[in-house]
Amino acid sequence: EAGVTQSPTHLIKTRGQQATLRCSPISGHTSVYWYQQALGLGLQFLLWYDEGEERNRGNFPPRFSGRQFPNYSSELNVNALELEDSALYLCASSLGQGLETQYFGPGTRLLVL
Amino acid sequence: ELKVEQNPLFLSMQEGKNYTIYCNYSTTSDRLYWYRQDPGKSLESLFVLLSNGAVKQEGRLMASLDTKARLSTLHITAAVHDLSATYFCAVESDYKLSFGAGTTVTVRA
Repeated sequence: EAGVTQSPTHLIKTRGQQATLRCSPISGHTSVYWYQQALGLGLQFLLWYDEGEERNRGNFPPRFSGRQFPNYSSELNVNALELEDSALYLCASSLGQGLETQYFGPGTRLLVL
Repeated sequence: ELKVEQNPLFLSMQEGKNYTIYCNYSTTSDRLYWYRQDPGKSLESLFVLLSNGAVKQEGRLMASLDTKARLSTLHITAAVHDLSATYFCAVESDYKLSFGAGTTVTVRA
């Protein structure tokens, strides 16, 4: 069974640009979570989508946004990129909302120059 | 806000010896996870602990949970080189995970 997939694996942008990151969950999983792993800041929760709706949001500015599509895949958009947005962005999926184990994808490494 | 503290942050292990990583958290939680991360890689789920007194073992790793003390431990028995990695505990609350800072483990001969 295929795991969580993310694309692209690496992304280089300049300050002020927009970045779009994509995630496909494990088949049958309806919940998608986004986390940011930045140097010195650890792993921080960004967003949770379930059944196409945003269910929870971490302590990030509105320029971090996303959506979930009918096939449960998800996009994370980061507008007006800043240098400190450089990080590994991890997507995880789980079976529906509720207390289910989150399985992580390989991540997208975003570098903002 | 839920806070998760891991210690130590760095652990240099000698092959064959036993070590423990500690994870303290600040509020009640639905479940606690341990993950492993190799350099440049994603997170691999090791254990899910659901209730007070839960103990899980896989190979040389054993995790336990004391919900009253809000403490989980990850015990490593007879360390071997391929256990070198960063280990994270994560606590679930409000359908999101709050992670500890991670413990970077290096196993030396």
